[in-house]
Amino acid sequence: GENVEQHPSTLSVQEGDSAVIKCTYSDSASNYFPWYKQELGKGPQLIIDIRSNVGEKKDQRIAVTLNKTAKHFSLHITETQPEDSAVYFCAASPSDYKLSFGAGTTVTVRA
Amino acid sequence: NAGVTQTPKFRVLKTGQSMTLLCAQDMNHEYMYWYRQDPGMGLRLIHYSVGEGTTAKGEVPDGYNVSRLKKQNFLLGLESAAPSQTSVYFCASSFARSDRRETQYFGPGTRLLVL
Repeated sequence: GENVEQHPSTLSVQEGDSAVIKCTYSDSASNYFPWYKQELGKGPQLIIDIRSNVGEKKDQRIAVTLNKTAKHFSLHITETQPEDSAVYFCAASPSDYKLSFGAGTTVTVRA
Repeated sequence: NAGVTQTPKFRVLKTGQSMTLLCAQDMNHEYMYWYRQDPGMGLRLIHYSVGEGTTAKGEVPDGYNVSRLKKQNFLLGLESAAPSQTSVYFCASSFARSDRRETQYFGPGTRLLVL
């Protein structure tokens, strides 16, 4: 099955700086890559996704890049704010309804 | 529109006891999923359903059963709870499309402690 690895497991950044989270996947058939944000005590919420026919996607302060040849994708958060503090999960979809998740990255934005 | 709701929010069980977790969605989604979340392991798929009356095994199905008698509800059962089933359980749902992946919407989670 699909195996998704996510790094780093924890990330501390100064407010206003950028944060980058990287993921790799194993199944070359995967073609959908969502990112979820989970705030304390809540369920994960989709923040951005990218499909395999696109190399980069941006939505305000967040962006995702995909390198299908290398089988890796990354989340970039610019101008970080305290409300960006959360756990972030990457995922890859090898089929039309299943997601395989990374282990998560705990992001802390220091004021 | 409540989205995805889960009942109960928190439960403590003794080893060997049984319980059922309820997931309900009001978005008319075809697909529903049960995940468990453990520290350092992300979310792992337990069982899923692609429609009313159908269920299938995910990555970690042992010790769990599910039922989808109504489109809007997906039940997760533990027949004989074990300490290894201490976890946070999330339900999710999504639309079904043949030509693209669809967003999965998650509930708030159920925290289960098995003593």
